[in-house]
Formats: sequence, structure tokens, C-alpha cells
Amino acid sequence: DIVMTQSPDSLAVSLGERATINCKSSQSVLDSSNNYKYLAWYQQKPGQPPKLLIYWASTRESGVPDRFSGSGSGTDFTLTISSLQAEDVAVYYCLQYYSSPHTFGQGTKLEIK
Amino acid sequence: QVHLVESGGGVVQAGRSLRLSCAASGFAFSTYAMHWVRQAPGKGLEWVTVLSSDGTNEYYADSVKGRFTISRDNSQNTVYLQMNSLRVEDTAIYYCAKAGCGGTRCYSNRWGQGTLVTVSS
Repeated sequence: DIVMTQSPDSLAVSLGERATINCKSSQSVLDSSNNYKYLAWYQQKPGQPPKLLIYWASTRESGVPDRFSGSGSGTDFTLTISSLQAEDVAVYYCLQYYSSPHTFGQGTKLEIK
Repeated sequence: QVHLVESGGGVVQAGRSLRLSCAASGFAFSTYAMHWVRQAPGKGLEWVTVLSSDGTNEYYADSVKGRFTISRDNSQNTVYLQMNSLRVEDTAIYYCAKAGCGGTRCYSNRWGQGTLVTVSS
């Protein structure tokens, strides 16, 4: 199984500053046959289901603010929030869907400093 | 507008069975894969299973393989999760989620509100 490891576990950032969350996979999630990276990012606020932010590692879901962006290679990925807003306080998860079982990272809790 | 409503959760004794349902609306159900994902109280997300749009391909987390079965009825726009031999560690909110494509190698892009399953000893 592919193990997804996020860092840090928690993060405190000032309003308007950049927040960066990392996700590392134990194996590549890049499919060389189509050049797709099978990596998604989710945001979960307390008492709510997760919300998709990014898929194929860097494609922003419709309706997601453009301050959210994703990047990365075959094993190392980053979610960046360019200018933190109060409503971005949440837990963020990465997910690999390259192979089954799909696996989530352990989550990163983002707070306001 | 995509709408997913889970039902069937509740309190059950360890070793017993439970079947969850997820009623879908607002999209062409038969063309999308469907996932179940769970979240134990205060813990992170755990992917459980996926079923392809045509029902021919299914995969499971190691923790539930051989005990849980996913199925779907495309005529009723419903996906099910049959859970047998339940364990205390299966206690969680169970979310059904619509995939972004028909195959199993796909992310989930819409989620239900979840249904709570509590397994007592």
C-alpha cells in the first residue's frame, strides 16, 4: 500500500500570509502512460464532510478560490494558500488514488496565528 | 445539484452486521464510480472502498477486506455498504462520495453528510 505522509501535523499562519502543506508518497503516484499525478487535496471544517480543493495534483476544483494551488512531482506534493483568510481554518488532507487501496495523509491542522 | 444522503447507521454489537445506503440525485449516477470513506471520532479520514460505475470493479481497504461489500443499484441511484463481522474499531462516521469519473482510479468530488456507526463491545 502507498503511505502518504503530511507535514507539518499542525500549522499556524497569520492572516494574509502564505501557508504551505506538504505531502509525500511512499511510491510515485505519477502514471507515465498519461502523465497524470493521482493526488488530490481536501479541506475539512469541523462538523462538515471533506471538500475537494485540488485534483490531478494541480487542477483546482470549480468554485475553489484561486489562492489555493497545488504542485508537485511523482512523490512530493504541496498545497499552497497564497494569502490566508479566516475561513481557511480547517484540517487539510492529501489523497492518492493511483492504486487501491486509496490512502489519505494523516491531516494537517491549519490555524490562525 | 449533487445530493448524497446516507442512511442505515446506528448502534450495533460487535460481530453483528449493518447495511448502509446512499441515495444519490442531481447527476447521472450510472456514469460515476462511488466511494465510501470513514472517519473515527476525532481522527483522520480513512478510505474504505470504491465501486466502478458499471459495478464490475471494486476495491477495499485492508482493514475491511473480506468483511465489507460495496454494491450499487443504478436503477435506484443508490450505493450500499454491507458491513459484516463488525468490530469496535469500525466505529466511525461513514461518508459516501461521488467520484469525478467512472473508473476506480479517481478522486471523490462530492460527499454526503455521513452516517454514524457505533459498534459496542
